[in-house]
Amino acid sequence: DGGITQSPKYLFRKEGQNVTLSCEQNLNHDAMYWYRQDPGQGLRLIYYSQIVNDFQKGDIAEGYSVSREKKESFPLTVTSAQKNPTAFYLCASSTHSPSGGQTQYFGPGTRLLVL
Amino acid sequence: AQSVSQHNHHVILSEAASLELGCNYSYGGTVNLFWYVQYPGQHLQLLLKYFSGDPLVKGIKGFEAEFIKSKFSFNLRKPSVQWSDTAEYFCAVIQGTGRRALTFGSGTRLQVQP
Repeated sequence: DGGITQSPKYLFRKEGQNVTLSCEQNLNHDAMYWYRQDPGQGLRLIYYSQIVNDFQKGDIAEGYSVSREKKESFPLTVTSAQKNPTAFYLCASSTHSPSGGQTQYFGPGTRLLVL
Repeated sequence: AQSVSQHNHHVILSEAASLELGCNYSYGGTVNLFWYVQYPGQHLQLLLKYFSGDPLVKGIKGFEAEFIKSKFSFNLRKPSVQWSDTAEYFCAVIQGTGRRALTFGSGTRLQVQP
């Protein structure tokens, strides 16, 4: 069954703690992305990776870190430097179409809550 | 920086009413345009997309959108909504060059009353 999986579905973070959100895809997509969704603000880009072992900061990268050691995996770490981490986190992946466009497909998301 | 504006934050319609949701973007060059939908408790799903060619694109569930380059717009339409269309709708853009990641609008919450 192909798709994008994110775990856990819910994650609780204590003050000063780093937590890692998992994102795995078996679609053989080269590019992967992390977005943060807050009510009334749409989705904002945290980090993205076009190929293995390479990634770029998005619009709100402060307080987050990523790695891309495997094509299938793009974990996101929310560090203690992120002062307002409560949000819904969405992972996406994409491939290129013959027409040159790029369609992103999304995972089910992880909701992060601060204790 | 690229920005995307969705003018309607919350829309309430009765079943069978027509729908049009506005979307404007700021980038003047080549763009790829998307509408995504998020049904309550479900994944973000692709509704339709425009890469090139015919500016009127048709998507799933009877939705369509028209790309008007001169107005930097990509409005979503449906002639007759159903209760099951209740969801949040997001317009998104990728620039043709440079950063290859989506810029999203803030979303429009559609509520369809039976």
